[in-house]
Amino acid sequence: GEDVEQSLFLSVREGDSSVINCTYTDSSSTYLYWYKQEPGAGLQLLTYIFSNMDMKQDQRLTVLLNKKDKHLSLRIADTQTGDSAIYFCAESRMDSSYKLIFGSGTRLLVRP
Amino acid sequence: DSGVTQTPKHLITATGQRVTLRCSPRSGDLSVYWYQQSLDQGLQFLIQYYNGEERAKGNILERFSAQQFPDLHSELNLSSLELGDSALYFCASSAREGGQETQYFGPGTRLLVL
Repeated sequence: GEDVEQSLFLSVREGDSSVINCTYTDSSSTYLYWYKQEPGAGLQLLTYIFSNMDMKQDQRLTVLLNKKDKHLSLRIADTQTGDSAIYFCAESRMDSSYKLIFGSGTRLLVRP
Repeated sequence: DSGVTQTPKHLITATGQRVTLRCSPRSGDLSVYWYQQSLDQGLQFLIQYYNGEERAKGNILERFSAQQFPDLHSELNLSSLELGDSALYFCASSAREGGQETQYFGPGTRLLVL
């Protein structure tokens, strides 16, 4: 199937770490992405990871990939109120296109 | 700012009408993707163009069509509009970076069909 699944909602306190999880189904996916969508805004690319990597760190963001379990996670360290948004994971299918298959998005609420 | 522009930002129209959404990709990007974001279907890939040619089709209705022009801007045409076509329509453009095509999204066009 084409499902990419994410939990719908996560609430954390400011300063804590947030971990957003995603599972995907297509083992042929080559790249996995995290996008952020703030209210009324477009999709902002946060980071991506190649499928032969286990981990990628970019400032406050850490992406972990477990290819065996088809599980992807995004950790945001020292979460700030400005991080409140919807986070989408997406997989890239290398068929005739690099179209993205998106999860349903996880709404992150950061409480002061 | 991703460098991808979309117009109009908002569009309100009636059922049965036809609208055209416009996208200008980032400078130098040859690929343009269209996605639809709705409450019930989430974010879905519609269609992709590469350098003027259709490359891939997703869940795009027959009432919808797209094209990419020689200057690489793209238009998505939606006709015989229905209430269920109300959604946010995103365009993305891509360039090859490190062996993969990273997609950068425009701000979207919010379509409301009344």
